[in-house]
Amino acid sequence: GQNIDQPTEMTATEGAIVQINCTYQTSGFNGLFWYQQHAGEAPTFLSYNVLDGLEEKGRFSSFLSRSKGYSYLLLKELQMKDSASYLCAVSDSNYQLIWGAGTKLIIKP
Amino acid sequence: NAGVTQTPKFRILKIGQSMTLQCAQDMNHNYMYWYRQDPGMGLKLIYYSVGAGITDKGEVPNGYNVSRSTTEDFPLRLELAAPSQTSVYFCASSYSEGGREQYFGPGTRLTVT
Repeated sequence: GQNIDQPTEMTATEGAIVQINCTYQTSGFNGLFWYQQHAGEAPTFLSYNVLDGLEEKGRFSSFLSRSKGYSYLLLKELQMKDSASYLCAVSDSNYQLIWGAGTKLIIKP
Repeated sequence: NAGVTQTPKFRILKIGQSMTLQCAQDMNHNYMYWYRQDPGMGLKLIYYSVGAGITDKGEVPNGYNVSRSTTEDFPLRLELAAPSQTSVYFCASSYSEGGREQYFGPGTRLTVT
């Protein structure tokens, strides 16, 4: 079966760095996405990785290792507005997105 | 651009009733999707469309129907609503499949009692 695993909840301090991990087992791989979802709102796109390595975009970076079925999202200089759920999704062999349940990130002052 | 719009935002249905969730996008995207999101679960694909006149089932299509008569609109029909269909429904669109991001509408919160 297809499976995406990520921690249910994480807590971090304002100004700090946090790493959210995602492991996956899917039938085929056509890229991995990270989305941010604030409570009661729609998901919004953060990043896309299809090749191994690190993609940096401002305070957010995303890493992929296809051989390990592993990705992480790194958030630096955390701000209170970063409190949200972070969703990992993999595009499978049919280009359909398989979604993880999301990691709820709580930022404390 | 309004992006992806959905109506209604909230709805309460009685068991056995039917309704249509509306979705429209103004980005001229070919690909459109319907997902449901339940607490503690990942988004599940209900139906998708790769262009006007073409629709296909996703992971959880039972109890739902869709149509795509235009590029802009992709309504989702619930027939004979059941409590198991209580969920938040998101419509999304993308320029193409694969590495293109999906743009989401604000969602419809549906309760079936």
